[in-house]
Amino acid sequence: EVQLVESGGGLVQPGGSLRLSCVASGITISSYSMNWIRQAPGKGLEWVSFISSSNIIHYADSVKGRFTLSRDNAQNSLYLQMNSLRDEDTAVYYCNLRALWGQGTLVTVSS
Amino acid sequence: DVVLTQSPLSLAVTFGQPASISCTSSQSLVYSDGNTYLNWFQQRPGQSPRRLIYQVSNRDSGVPDRFSGSGSGTDFTLKISRVEAEDVGVYYCMQGTHWPTSFGQGTKLEIK
Repeated sequence: EVQLVESGGGLVQPGGSLRLSCVASGITISSYSMNWIRQAPGKGLEWVSFISSSNIIHYADSVKGRFTLSRDNAQNSLYLQMNSLRDEDTAVYYCNLRALWGQGTLVTVSS
Repeated sequence: DVVLTQSPLSLAVTFGQPASISCTSSQSLVYSDGNTYLNWFQQRPGQSPRRLIYQVSNRDSGVPDRFSGSGSGTDFTLKISRVEAEDVGVYYCMQGTHWPTSFGQGTKLEIK
């Protein structure tokens, strides 16, 4: 079965850090572009970051300079290092590859 | 940045009747390669989003043929020919032509 599984979410204080992981199975992610997309509680979808098959990376302005996207092809995994977290980063974070989405991982930033 | 404006923001449809959602872009979504990167997603309550349509009118695998997408340039439409109970949820358009990628606000579909 082709699937993406995110992990690494949790409760963190403002200014703290988290590292999200997205592990793929049934598909080799190195051949594809992928996204991180988030959804704040009760809100719509917001694109966060993108990596192309040739490792070109883009970030939303709201996270630029604080978040770092990386990919480990050997582990068939995508990562999102999130630093200097703010209250407004609270959301479910989804990993996405074309039509495929993970189940999401909840990040809560609160003191 | 490209702004996608969906209408209506909520929609109550009788079972078996059609539904239509509009997505209007602040800029043309035709990319330099000639393709238009406008997708439609469905998010059922408590679930992850699911892509229904890519590049305006191409249905994803497993998507019922009652869903169709159309449009060009800046104006796009998602149509459901006969609404079923499982179609309840929020529908989003998304553009991947211009950076940054952006989503519409979402349209909530309910059954009357």
